[in-house]
Amino acid sequence: AQSVTQLDSQVPVFEEAPVELRCNYSSSVSVYLFWYVQYPNQGLQLLLKYLSGSTLVESINGFEAEFNKSQTSFHLRKPSVHISDTAEYFCAAAYGGATNKLIFGTGTLLAVQP
Amino acid sequence: DTGVSQDPRHKITKRGQNVTFRCDPISEHNRLYWYRQTLGQGPEFLTYFQNEAQLEKSRLLSDRFSAERPKGSFSTLEIQRTEQGDSAMYLCASSFVQGAYGYTFGSGTRLTVV
Repeated sequence: AQSVTQLDSQVPVFEEAPVELRCNYSSSVSVYLFWYVQYPNQGLQLLLKYLSGSTLVESINGFEAEFNKSQTSFHLRKPSVHISDTAEYFCAAAYGGATNKLIFGTGTLLAVQP
Repeated sequence: DTGVSQDPRHKITKRGQNVTFRCDPISEHNRLYWYRQTLGQGPEFLTYFQNEAQLEKSRLLSDRFSAERPKGSFSTLEIQRTEQGDSAMYLCASSFVQGAYGYTFGSGTRLTVV
């Protein structure tokens, strides 16, 4: 079955430290991958996406993710986190080009401590 | 356009009552989606519309659930004879037909069935 796995339910990290949030997807010929961020009491906001082309994608606020087909991974990284990055992060996939349905992981809470 | 709006933000209802939620998408978007998010889980797909046509429904959407998008603009999600298991955050999102560019989510309606 098509799925998205986020093994870490919570990642505590100190401010200005680097962080990696892990995401693995089930192998597929065609897949689009997304990271969404959810702040408390708010909806999900698109952080970045991989559709095709360069395997490294970046967001405007310093996050990046790399599509790794051989490892079926799309991990999210940031070299230096801020308190304001504290939020729930969801990885999602659209399989077979079917963008009418996203499969989400269970989310990772990034808890940035001063 | 201020984004995707959902109303109400919170709803508390007694078991067995009917509830209706409203979603106003971004006006230029043809597609509208409903997702359900329970505590500790990622959003799960319920259904989606392209214009006024409901093109897919998840098996999660039991007979007690019905969604409409009468004029291809706003949408309503009705739950009849609510059960405690229906307690969740109901998220609405919209996108262009080419959903790979990403969805815009609303802030959600949190339903509590007591």
